[in-house]
Amino acid sequence: AQSVTQLDSQVPVFEEAPVELRCNYSSSVSVYLFWYVQYPNQGLQLLLKYLSGSTLVKGINGFEAEFNKSQTSFHLRKPSVHISDTAEYFCAVRPTGNTGKLIFGQGTTLQVKP
Amino acid sequence: DSGVTQTPKHLITATGQRVTLRCSPRSGDLSVYWYQQSLDQGLQFLIQYYNGEERAKGNILERFSAQQFPDLHSELNLSSLELGDSALYFCASSDRDSSYNEQFFGPGTRLTVL
Repeated sequence: AQSVTQLDSQVPVFEEAPVELRCNYSSSVSVYLFWYVQYPNQGLQLLLKYLSGSTLVKGINGFEAEFNKSQTSFHLRKPSVHISDTAEYFCAVRPTGNTGKLIFGQGTTLQVKP
Repeated sequence: DSGVTQTPKHLITATGQRVTLRCSPRSGDLSVYWYQQSLDQGLQFLIQYYNGEERAKGNILERFSAQQFPDLHSELNLSSLELGDSALYFCASSDRDSSYNEQFFGPGTRLTVL
């Protein structure tokens, strides 16, 4: 079985400051890793994904994440946030041999203040 | 706009009733996934269909059922509704039945059971 823990339910940050949203996972099999963003009243949009190769993954809107296999983590970072980054962020895993489900964390609300 | 459409956007109904949620995947996508997002359970995978056949099942209640039609649209049927079924229901689609293919999410259907 797999599980995903997002360590912070809310992260307040000032505009132009850096931010890190933390994600740890547990799995007995290999997984692919994803970060999704959900803006208010909208569906989920893929920010970035780790499938293989370089452990530093760059995504859309200036976000990046680093896969750390030994610590089973996949933290999301942005060096300078904007007001428009205010949203809920979900970390998710998907077993490599499984064609179906994404297993999501509980989400982290990023609140960017002016 | 992800290209995945869901209808209706909002649904308000009473306990014990039955509803049908509809999803049209992106053009050319063969896989459809259903997820439930609620405050207490978070985002949970319900079921996946690929080209008309059920491929994977998650935490879907026996009162819920789904199908994918020859034109690839999918419907999620929820019956004997309970207050706890109130949630946001997302549909997602991907072009193939593979664990690394991106899933594109629709805007969701918000179900309120009174």
